[in-house]
Amino acid sequence: DTGVSQDPRHKITKRGQNVTFRCDPISEHNRLYWYRQTLGQGPEFLTYFQNEAQLEKSRLLSDRFSAERPKGSFSTLEIQRTEQGDSAMYLCASSLLENTEAFFGQGTRLTVV
Amino acid sequence: RKEVEQDPGPFNVPEGATVAFNCTYSNSASQSFFWYRQDCRKEPKLLMSVYSSGNEDGRFTAQLNRASQYISLLIRDSKLSDSATYLCVNGGATNKLIFGTGTLLAVQP
Repeated sequence: DTGVSQDPRHKITKRGQNVTFRCDPISEHNRLYWYRQTLGQGPEFLTYFQNEAQLEKSRLLSDRFSAERPKGSFSTLEIQRTEQGDSAMYLCASSLLENTEAFFGQGTRLTVV
Repeated sequence: RKEVEQDPGPFNVPEGATVAFNCTYSNSASQSFFWYRQDCRKEPKLLMSVYSSGNEDGRFTAQLNRASQYISLLIRDSKLSDSATYLCVNGGATNKLIFGTGTLLAVQP
């Protein structure tokens, strides 16, 4: 399978715990995006990378959220001290270049209890 | 004004109907636009890219109107399998891909 891969697919955690998600983009794709989606809403932009450089982080994102793409390949998204409001689908996408189509992974569904 | 605005619907149409969705965007510097389709509890999947004045792929036609800052998606001869949420995407000036809230389409038999 050469598509975007996300792990885990589902995560249930207690409030206050830290969680980390992983995304493996399509090979050779330079751009990698993270989104969050809740029921009835479109994907909400969180952050994106060009190779290993984080180009932008949403102003809506609190300091509890951090993302890395250390070698320009896979990326991790960490949420510290999770809150119930963090419950959502976290989607990763990748694209070859800017202004080109992005392809999504199947997402990680986070439930904070 | 939101960066990308869509009518959330739902649009309930009979099989065989033609249906059109509109999407407005606020960033006049945007260079790229896309339509994605999302099935319930699935990831978004690319339907069409809209790079210049428009694009056509079978029953689907996308149009871009830069002067009025909107894009549209036309679906002809609707099929039951077209039932999904259609997401309008604005690449923006830096191509960070901003999504609308989506328009829900339900094609009825």
